[in-house]
Amino acid sequence: DAGVTQSPTHLIKTRGQQVTLRCSPKSGHDTVSWYQQALGQGPQFIFQYYEEEERQRGNFPDRFSGHQFPNYSSELNVNALLLGDSALYLCASSLDSTYEQYFGPGTRLTVT
Amino acid sequence: SQQGEEDPQALSIQEGENATMNCSYKTSINNLQWYRQNSGRGLVHLILIRSNEREKHSGRLRVTLDTSKKSSSLLITASRAADTASYFCATPSHYKSGNTPLVFGKGTRLSVIA
Repeated sequence: DAGVTQSPTHLIKTRGQQVTLRCSPKSGHDTVSWYQQALGQGPQFIFQYYEEEERQRGNFPDRFSGHQFPNYSSELNVNALLLGDSALYLCASSLDSTYEQYFGPGTRLTVT
Repeated sequence: SQQGEEDPQALSIQEGENATMNCSYKTSINNLQWYRQNSGRGLVHLILIRSNEREKHSGRLRVTLDTSKKSSSLLITASRAADTASYFCATPSHYKSGNTPLVFGKGTRLSVIA
């Protein structure tokens, strides 16, 4: 049973560019959440998708957007990249009815 | 704002010793979770304790929860070098059944020296 997978593993972008990160949830999970983790900090919630809709959103600007597909996989898009967007981006999947979230290995984004 | 805060920020012990990490939080919760993170990679779910539980065990892990003090502790017994990682507590961002976003502290960095 595959766990949560994310791609790519690493990414280097230039300030002002756009980036798309991808996540495939654990088999059977219907909810995907995205988190941003800056160096030395704990993960911070970006948004959560359920039934292809953004259900909850953290304190992140509209430059951050996402999508969930019918197979429950998800994308995170960030426009107009800033140096401060450099971080580890984590995807977590879960069942809507449960508390536990299971994280993928993350995508390390570096903005230069 | 961060709900949970881990203490200490860093902990260094010898292999075979026990490691204790603490977490404090601010608002009422229905569950609290502990995660481990190796070298800035993905988080591994360790254990979940519900608000009506005071203690829970999983292998070498023991978690306690004191809702009156809004605190939790994670004890790792007989530590191994492979336990070297950052440990985070996570609480729900709001009180509801089912899936809510998690709020994390800054974590405790544990180093186990062989």
